[in-house]
Amino acid sequence: DIQMTQSPSSLSASVGDRVTLTCRASQDIGNFLAWYQQKPGKGPKLLIYAASTLHSGVPSRFSGSGSGTDFALTISSLQPEDVGTYYCQKYNSALQFTFGPGTRVDLK
Amino acid sequence: EVQLVQSGAEVKKPGESLKISCQGSGYSFTSYWIAWVRQMPGKGLEYMGIIYPVDSDARYSPAFQGQVTISVDKSINTAYLQWSSLKASDTAMYYCARHRDYSDFTGYYASFDSWGQGTLLIVSS
Repeated sequence: DIQMTQSPSSLSASVGDRVTLTCRASQDIGNFLAWYQQKPGKGPKLLIYAASTLHSGVPSRFSGSGSGTDFALTISSLQPEDVGTYYCQKYNSALQFTFGPGTRVDLK
Repeated sequence: EVQLVQSGAEVKKPGESLKISCQGSGYSFTSYWIAWVRQMPGKGLEYMGIIYPVDSDARYSPAFQGQVTISVDKSINTAYLQWSSLKASDTAMYYCARHRDYSDFTGYYASFDSWGQGTLLIVSS
């Protein structure tokens, strides 16, 4: 089974900071990776799929990069509404899915 | 607007059975797989399984195979997650999500692009 890890597990940053979260797969998954945001007390929302494709309606300050085993989600200028937990998810055409453990983002 | 509306919170006793629902609207329900995701208190997201409304083809994560049953009634655009005998460890928030995927000359694209609001299940004696 392919395992997903995320780092850091949590971070604190100031409004306006550039923030980068990383996700690593235990095997090559190509670009079959999505990122989700879960705000406190709310359900998850899709941010990015295919490693770098921004989902409709998602602010352009979010961007994704990477392929193979190493991926990143970058928030170019952190806003107060970005507080929450971010999950990466690997998928494939065989309908197999695995979420990473998440990175919690707080304001400093 | 795509919407997935889930049934309300439940409080059940160990050993009881339960079926929770997820109704889709604003899109062609039979064109997309519906997935179920568990989130235990204070923990991360866990993929449970997925179902195709056209033919009720259901696939399960190994961790949940035999523990739950996923079903669908396409006549009312509703997917279900059910337990035959609940345990305290089933206490969690459960989300349904629409699986959208497509392929073109550049590759394969997929995601859980719309989510329900979640159903909180508390199992306690």
